[in-house]
Amino acid sequence: GENVGLHLPTLSVQEGDNSIINCAYSNSASDYFIWYKQESGKGPQFIIDIRSNMDKRQGQRVTVLLNKTVKHLSLQIAATQPGDSAVYFCAETYVNTDKLIFGTGTRLQVFP
Amino acid sequence: DAGITQSPRHKVTETGTPVTLRCHQTENHRYMYWYRQDPGHGLRLIHYSYGVKDTDKGEVSDGYSVSRSKTEDFLLTLESATSSQTSVYFCAISEDQGWTEAFFGQGTRLTVV
Repeated sequence: GENVGLHLPTLSVQEGDNSIINCAYSNSASDYFIWYKQESGKGPQFIIDIRSNMDKRQGQRVTVLLNKTVKHLSLQIAATQPGDSAVYFCAETYVNTDKLIFGTGTRLQVFP
Repeated sequence: DAGITQSPRHKVTETGTPVTLRCHQTENHRYMYWYRQDPGHGLRLIHYSYGVKDTDKGEVSDGYSVSRSKTEDFLLTLESATSSQTSVYFCAISEDQGWTEAFFGQGTRLTVV
């Protein structure tokens, strides 16, 4: 697939369990963060975002937590399903920049 | 995917040849980006455009040039392809600088032999 065999950290979870994917970011000036999902053969797909003035944001089955003190971001997926199997990337950007910087990604594997 | 098309989807070329990848959008978004994706590196920004004829470099721009003569098309050119440019290339578009309404294309797998 288009993930070109990335040597990624892998999280394996059982269907129905909750998943937590972590990301450390490097730039303390970053003020906007996005989680993307990338399935094999496809481009990254937006999941959820959060701005730096928030600690938590919830979507449908997903929650993003932001800890600015330690520059850490996490994505929680509730009741993980086989369709959640993919590579997940966090990305960061900041005011007055046009650039979105990606982390290296985590592969989520869901088994029955 | 939301009005963004990359072509070709797959290409094999020889070292030293020029290659042009095309990104076409129908969303009328101002910003367009080219990323490459490699094992162990995630996605890295090559070049981007913030308007017609307005472009700037990303973190891995050496060996690449871009052009944007109209809103809907953003071209990435490898003037003389090298094996290190074997990668998967993704185009992205966004409505504004803040990456709102941002979408990625399906990718182009380029192999330089």
